[in-house]
Amino acid sequence: GDSVTQTEGLVTLTKGLPVMLNCTYQTTYSPFLFWYVQHLNEAPKLLLKSSTDNKRTEHQGFYATLHKSSSSFHLQKSSVQLSDSALYFCALSDPSSGSWQLIFGSGTQLTVMP
Amino acid sequence: EAAVTQSPRNKVAVTGGKVTLSCNQTNNHNNMYWYRQDTGHGLRLIHYSYGAGSTEKGDIPDGYKASRPSQENFSLILELATPSQTSVYFCASGDRGVTLYFGSGTRLTVL
Repeated sequence: GDSVTQTEGLVTLTKGLPVMLNCTYQTTYSPFLFWYVQHLNEAPKLLLKSSTDNKRTEHQGFYATLHKSSSSFHLQKSSVQLSDSALYFCALSDPSSGSWQLIFGSGTQLTVMP
Repeated sequence: EAAVTQSPRNKVAVTGGKVTLSCNQTNNHNNMYWYRQDTGHGLRLIHYSYGAGSTEKGDIPDGYKASRPSQENFSLILELATPSQTSVYFCASGDRGVTLYFGSGTRLTVL
């Protein structure tokens, strides 16, 4: 079946440093990939999405590039801020399906220290 | 901003009791979803719906029922709650690959 893997459960960084959160996936179709962010006691919200191979997508200082050759959609930021502390989920969806249901990875908790 | 409202925000239930979680959306989206969130598992799909009158099983439907009486409302029903169903439940709505909008979640504790 389809799956999304996020290898880091917890990432702790000092403010101002760069970050990369890993996301790889397995699927038999050409998927849509998403990054959702969930701040403490809040609902998950969309951060980025892409279905275009090798095209960089950016939002709020975060960026990701879908690489179908390596089945990856890593999330990056050049300089993290305290407000970036949150739980980040990678997810995929089958655009040929009418349900558009998302399959989520297990999430990466990012903690930014002063 | 799209709106998805869940009730209650917190619920304590007894083992074997019936629990109903409610969700209302004002986005006029056809698709609605129920997920549960557990540490180490991310968000897992329980049931979803394509529109009023339809419900479909997701990845972990056992022990749960769903009801979609209207475009706006989608309920999750636990007929016989068990402690293993203690979790945070999220409802979401969306259409055709556009952003999924999540509610604020319901924290359910089954004693």
